Amino acid sequence: DTEVTQTPKHLVMGMTNKKSLKCEQHMGHRAMYWYKQKAKKPPELMFVYSYEKLSINESVPSRFSPECPNSSLLNLHLHALQPEDSALYLCASSRASGTSVSSTDTQYFGPGTRLTVL
Amino acid sequence: RKEVEQDPGPFNVPEGATVAFNCTYSNSASQSFFWYRQDCRKEPKLLMSVYSSGNEDGRFTAQLNRASQYISLLIRDSKLSDSATYLCVVTTDSWGKFQFGAGTQVVVTP
Repeated sequence: DTEVTQTPKHLVMGMTNKKSLKCEQHMGHRAMYWYKQKAKKPPELMFVYSYEKLSINESVPSRFSPECPNSSLLNLHLHALQPEDSALYLCASSRASGTSVSSTDTQYFGPGTRLTVL
Repeated sequence: RKEVEQDPGPFNVPEGATVAFNCTYSNSASQSFFWYRQDCRKEPKLLMSVYSSGNEDGRFTAQLNRASQYISLLIRDSKLSDSATYLCVVTTDSWGKFQFGAGTQVVVTP
């Protein structure tokens, strides 16, 4: 089973709202990722969690706040977003060998949350 | 220069034909290589990893040329369901950060 699930599938929010995106995997993977993808562009990495610890933050604005409550769950808390933040937000997971992510680890993507900020 | 470059296409391919396209990467220290396919408004899905010796999975063949720093994907006997954007992925960092190409669009026509 290589399934990563994400909720909600679609989200419309105003610039003053607070919302959260959720991601879950039950493959025993220890690395989880958030990506942002705009139309006709490749995914852009936002955050990486390795063994439930934030290991990479790609200079993402603080209005995006990630959280990893346990090894199966990854959240992305959203607050005071801008219309340009409208995009497909993808979660991914990978095995992570030893104590860290490996360059050979395949990433498995969830179906994404399509976010629209009004 | 972008780290990973792909011809955006579209490659318009008659059903049953063969199509091939490349992806070039700039960092000679790149370690792992993958092809993902992405259907419109869907998530990327792993098509295949690319190994130094080349590898084949059914109608799909991937090759790696380290000397010229490119990987290739060949699709034989194209099906309508092969219509998608094919994303080239290269990892360079020790921890495996995915460097995506912009994608190559393939459109298979009846």
